[in-house]
Amino acid sequence: QSVLTQPPSVSAAPGQTVTISCSGSSSNIGNNFVSWYQQLPGTAPKLLISDNNKRPSGIPDRLSGSKSGTSATLAITGLQTGDEADYYCGTWDSSLSAGVFGGGTKLTVL
Amino acid sequence: EVQLVESGGGLLKPGGSLRLSCAASGFTFSNAWMNWVRQAPGKGLEWVGRIKSKPNGGTIDYAAPVKGRFTISRDDSKNTLYLQIYSLKTEDTAVYYCATGGMTSRAGLDYWGQGTLVTVSS
Repeated sequence: QSVLTQPPSVSAAPGQTVTISCSGSSSNIGNNFVSWYQQLPGTAPKLLISDNNKRPSGIPDRLSGSKSGTSATLAITGLQTGDEADYYCGTWDSSLSAGVFGGGTKLTVL
Repeated sequence: EVQLVESGGGLLKPGGSLRLSCAASGFTFSNAWMNWVRQAPGKGLEWVGRIKSKPNGGTIDYAAPVKGRFTISRDDSKNTLYLQIYSLKTEDTAVYYCATGGMTSRAGLDYWGQGTLVTVSS
């Protein structure tokens, strides 16, 4: 059971918009920075969003992150088949003194 | 270009031990906070631990499930991060990734290696 809760799967058609939620508590998301990672099949994870809503260089503006209270959201607009991957949220948990990830969300582009 | 290359994985028996390495290049390793993250087959990401840079105190934190059996260390003269695992269990079977950054920091885990597979089986 992950400390952060994500939906196991989401799906949408090409060109549409999808959002992936990440729910936590005041000891993690509520008081720490959230980051999002994409893992394409058979590859290492890649940072998509840092500092709740900042895109590293090279990440398209179709992707955006937001945080409100103890929840965070990743939004992907203009879906492409190449977006099919697993997505993870992550942050620090101050009570555990440890990094924590969500259980991951598998995105299917229909 | 930032490069992280893990090595040291393989097939091991329960109760054994091993040391994983992560060779870093393309950035100032001595100033970097470094992490280990693992992923069991078909499962999600699990943060294992983090070592801060020596200028930041070199503090090490571990995930609760591995505390006491795993040891993270670094050799800044060799630009290399290590993960020593003792008393291997079958549940340690996973791909082990090293990553730069910190989950306490704004930057998150910004660069990742390709991973090394550890299989624990009798």
